[in-house]
Amino acid sequence: DVKVTQSSRYLVKRTGEKVFLECVQDMDHENMFWYRQDPGLGLRLIYFSYDVKMKEKGDIPEGYSVSREKKERFSLILESASTNQTSMYLCASSLELGNTIYFGEGSWLTVV
Amino acid sequence: DAKTTQPPSMDCAEGRAANLPCNHSTISGNEYVYWYRQIHSQGPQYIIHGLKNNETNEMASLIITEDRKSSTLILPHATLRDTAVYYCIVRVARTSGSRLTFGEGTQLTVNP
Repeated sequence: DVKVTQSSRYLVKRTGEKVFLECVQDMDHENMFWYRQDPGLGLRLIYFSYDVKMKEKGDIPEGYSVSREKKERFSLILESASTNQTSMYLCASSLELGNTIYFGEGSWLTVV
Repeated sequence: DAKTTQPPSMDCAEGRAANLPCNHSTISGNEYVYWYRQIHSQGPQYIIHGLKNNETNEMASLIITEDRKSSTLILPHATLRDTAVYYCIVRVARTSGSRLTFGEGTQLTVNP
């Protein structure tokens, strides 16, 4: 089975803090994604990566950056957390672009 | 990607088959039908997908009408753990998988 693991399920951070959300997949997938999910807004794509050290902006990249130094690991970085970044963050991966996307368990971030 | 329409909620008795409908009347010839589910506070879980033939796996069956304008996800013997929001999505494979659009989905409640 595909396994996408997000390092933290629940986090509480203060406004202005730098936040790292880590994601690891064990299926040698080329592509990895970061989404956020908010009530009434559905899933929105933040960034995705189709190869090591490659990244592309999604629909809502402002206030976020990403890092992919190794194929299995994709990190989401909030440079200076703000309260409007309180959300559930979902990491996902797929073998090829357009293939089935598999999601992690999600990370609930609260910024106070 | 084509728009889908699902009933907002459904109930099913434990042990009975759950049949979840989805309308996708504007589906294009190269768009697949995907089903995911999301249990509260967890990431979306892939269930099944198909193009025009009926599909079955260990979780569910997918029945697609001949004109491909609608489909039904069947959970043959629903259990309490199948209570979740079920999302029907149509999308083109072999193109960017980045913009996976989840609608409102169907809240399935399995009752003892």
